Amino acid sequence: RKEVEQDPGPFNVPEGATVAFNCTYSNSASQSFFWYRQDCRKEPKLLMSVYSSGNEDGRFTAQLNRASQYISLLIRDSKLSDSATYLCVVNNAGGTSYGKLTFGQGTILTVHP
Amino acid sequence: DTAVSQTPKYLVTQMGNDKSIKCEQNLGHDTMYWYKQDSKKFLKIMFSYNNKELIINETVPNRFSPKSPDKAHLNLHINSLELGDSAVYFCASSQGFGSTEAFFGQGTRLTVV
Repeated sequence: RKEVEQDPGPFNVPEGATVAFNCTYSNSASQSFFWYRQDCRKEPKLLMSVYSSGNEDGRFTAQLNRASQYISLLIRDSKLSDSATYLCVVNNAGGTSYGKLTFGQGTILTVHP
Repeated sequence: DTAVSQTPKYLVTQMGNDKSIKCEQNLGHDTMYWYKQDSKKFLKIMFSYNNKELIINETVPNRFSPKSPDKAHLNLHINSLELGDSAVYFCASSQGFGSTEAFFGQGTRLTVV
């Protein structure tokens, strides 16, 4: 099983749609969770951290379910500029991998007019 | 001012050559990383340094040797380049060790011919 697993998509949605991405992780001791965004031929950039209680930033909502080892990202009212690859990122805890940020393979989102 | 800068941005070289990629961060971070993004866009950690000390070495061939002359710099030297080394290499830094946001450089697109 991969350490961090995402549905690679691609997701093709019209402007204004709501879209949800899921991610699962294998290390139950993982401590920190993030969603990054990567535009084509650019570097990854932090979109938002994910907290146990869930958190929202404008049109973006992130949820964490530690029991199921599952993270989600919801984007409401999609914009053309949301088109990118969304990366689920987990900070490993314990053992020789302590502090290692592990990336999922990314989910490709295309928002069309 | 670019927070994490790496050079060169593009590198085309022949098999068997030795090449270096340089990385510098002006954020005052203690931790720096090298990631490799292959043709399937999967981002995989190669090395992590904390205060100039090697912390993570993810089963990378010995041909890859990182060097951190000070905590603001983490260079990557690659000996005897192979076709399979073709990828985008990202340098990154973070304040804490894995638990906080990582800032990425623009990437170095390495093509081995």
